[in-house]
Amino acid sequence: AQSVTQLGSHVSVSEGALVLLRCNYSSSVPPYLFWYVQYPNQGLQLLLKYTSAATLVKGINGFEAEFKKSETSFHLTKPSAHMSDAAEYFCAVSAYGGSNYKLTFGKGTLLTVNP
Amino acid sequence: DAMVIQNPRYQVTQFGKPVTLSCSQTLNHNVMYWYQQKSSQAPKLLFHYYDKDFNNEADTPDNFQSRRPNTSFCFLDIRSPGLGDAAMYLCATKTTALPEAFFGQGTRLTVV
Repeated sequence: AQSVTQLGSHVSVSEGALVLLRCNYSSSVPPYLFWYVQYPNQGLQLLLKYTSAATLVKGINGFEAEFKKSETSFHLTKPSAHMSDAAEYFCAVSAYGGSNYKLTFGKGTLLTVNP
Repeated sequence: DAMVIQNPRYQVTQFGKPVTLSCSQTLNHNVMYWYQQKSSQAPKLLFHYYDKDFNNEADTPDNFQSRRPNTSFCFLDIRSPGLGDAAMYLCATKTTALPEAFFGQGTRLTVV
């Protein structure tokens, strides 16, 4: 069984400020972890993924996330927010290997960027 | 360049009138998913195909059916849409060679 908890349904930051979106996971097997971004009335776009290689993962648009096994966390950060970062962000988990292809999402965090 | 294509992007249907949403892919991925996403909620998996093998989630209503006639196409049929079925429907694909899923742009379904 696997699950994801995103802390904070809504995060508001000023343009140029640090973005921190929190994600904790639960998985009975080593996980794959993902961050997806969704703009209004659009599908989901992959920002970055953790696949058991480096624990610090860099993604698109200046985002990165760090896998911390001891804390079961995979928080998303960006040093300096841009207006175009305003969107909904979803953390997701799937099982590593095997035949379980399910992708389980957190409830999402809406990021607002203020000028 | 579009790799997972959903048609139509917006669909309005009448209460109780069957509706079909379509998804096609140019990636040749063997796994295809249908998700339902209601406003301000996480995507909820309805079912997925691994090749021709159909996997239904336990809590997916019988009102929802799916067909996958070949690798490239997958359809979502809603036999008798209710007001509660209004949502964004997302199609996604995956290959066993990569861990991530690739999403289409979604179909926004409105039931009137």
